[in-house]
Amino acid sequence: AQSVTQLGSHVSVSEGALVLLRCNYSSSVPPYLFWYVQYPNQGLQLLLKYTTGATLVKGINGFEAEFKKSETSFHLTKPSAHMSDAAEYFCAVSDLQAAGNKLTFGGGTRVLVKP
Amino acid sequence: EAGVTQSPTHLIKTRGQQATLRCSPISGHTSVYWYQQALGLGLQFLLWYDEGEERNRGNFPPRFSGRQFPNYSSELNVNALELEDSALYLCASTRARYSYNEQFFGPGTRLTVL
Repeated sequence: AQSVTQLGSHVSVSEGALVLLRCNYSSSVPPYLFWYVQYPNQGLQLLLKYTTGATLVKGINGFEAEFKKSETSFHLTKPSAHMSDAAEYFCAVSDLQAAGNKLTFGGGTRVLVKP
Repeated sequence: EAGVTQSPTHLIKTRGQQATLRCSPISGHTSVYWYQQALGLGLQFLLWYDEGEERNRGNFPPRFSGRQFPNYSSELNVNALELEDSALYLCASTRARYSYNEQFFGPGTRLTVL
């Protein structure tokens, strides 16, 4: 079974500072990896995804993530935090072994941006 | 293009009752997924429907069931409601059943069981 671990359930950053959200996964086969963002009282919005090819993936709103197979990691970064980045972020892995693309999510990291 | 829609937005029920939640996927999407987001438990996969059939289910009891209609919309039914069923239920759709396809999520239905 696949699993996802997000280190830190809460992260506080200053506006303009680097945002770094950590995600490690467990998978017996090459995974497909996703980062989603959830704003209060809303559903999930895809930030970026890794399937194959280039390991550095750029997403929306200035976010990017790097797939590191040797470290089984897919950390999310943004060089300069903005107040609008305050939200909860979820890392997810797609289950290739089962039919379809059931997503297994990490526990989420809530980001607080301080002015 | 309209996104995934869910109804109702909020639903309040009492223990033992039944709840029905509805989801309309993005036009052209044939797969619908249901997830439960409960406080302290995170996001958990519930059910997957594709082309009208249930294709996979998560680790939930049989009182969680649903169906997919010919127009690909879906319904989630929760029977014999328990207090711990209180959660945000999210529906997602994809164009096809491939793992690399992005899942598009609806805003969710917040179910409260009293």
